[in-house]
Amino acid sequence: EIVLTQSPATLSLSPGERATLSCRASQSISTYLAWYQQKPGQAPRLLIYDASNRATGIPVRFSGSGSGTDFTLTISSLEPDDFAVYYCQQRVSWPLTFGPGTKVDIK
Amino acid sequence: QLQMQESGPGLVKPSETLSLTCTVSGGSISSSSYYWAWIRQPPGKGLEWIASINYGGSTYYNPSLKSRVTISVDTSENQFSLKLDSVTAADTAVYYCARPKQINRGGSFDIWGQGAMVTVSS
Repeated sequence: EIVLTQSPATLSLSPGERATLSCRASQSISTYLAWYQQKPGQAPRLLIYDASNRATGIPVRFSGSGSGTDFTLTISSLEPDDFAVYYCQQRVSWPLTFGPGTKVDIK
Repeated sequence: QLQMQESGPGLVKPSETLSLTCTVSGGSISSSSYYWAWIRQPPGKGLEWIASINYGGSTYYNPSLKSRVTISVDTSENQFSLKLDSVTAADTAVYYCARPKQINRGGSFDIWGQGAMVTVSS
């Protein structure tokens, strides 16, 4: 099973600041990594798939990068709507696994 | 526009079987070889993939749950289902059904149901 770790656990920032979230895989997953945003009481929303591809309707301020074992989700300038929990997920092999999440909260 | 909706009991007694159904609307579950999935989230915790199935009945299970889980598909009803045996309080969670963006293998999930809260309690 591929284990994903995310850092930091919590990121406290102000609107307009840049957010950088990290996801590390226990073994190489090429670029088979996705990022999700989840707000309280809602299902997760796919932001980025295959490391760097924005999903339909996702604003350009969200970008993903990385390959192998190290990946980054960047939010270039935080909007009030972006304060949420972010999860990474790998799809290179079964079982599909998620990281534990990074909470982005308002400083 | 494809939509997914979970249904089933919100309360299950310990040691009994949790049963949920996901109904797909706005598209056919047989249209492409997606691996339709169940994913759960205990209160205040992260996401856990449970199992996936395609329209032909090919399945994948999370090894941590495999001994207790059955996923099945009913193409005539455009539904797929989850059964989880011998539940305990640790199985209390929001259960989501989801469809991946990619076909023929595990994917990134771009379509989700709204989630069904299931509580295990006597």
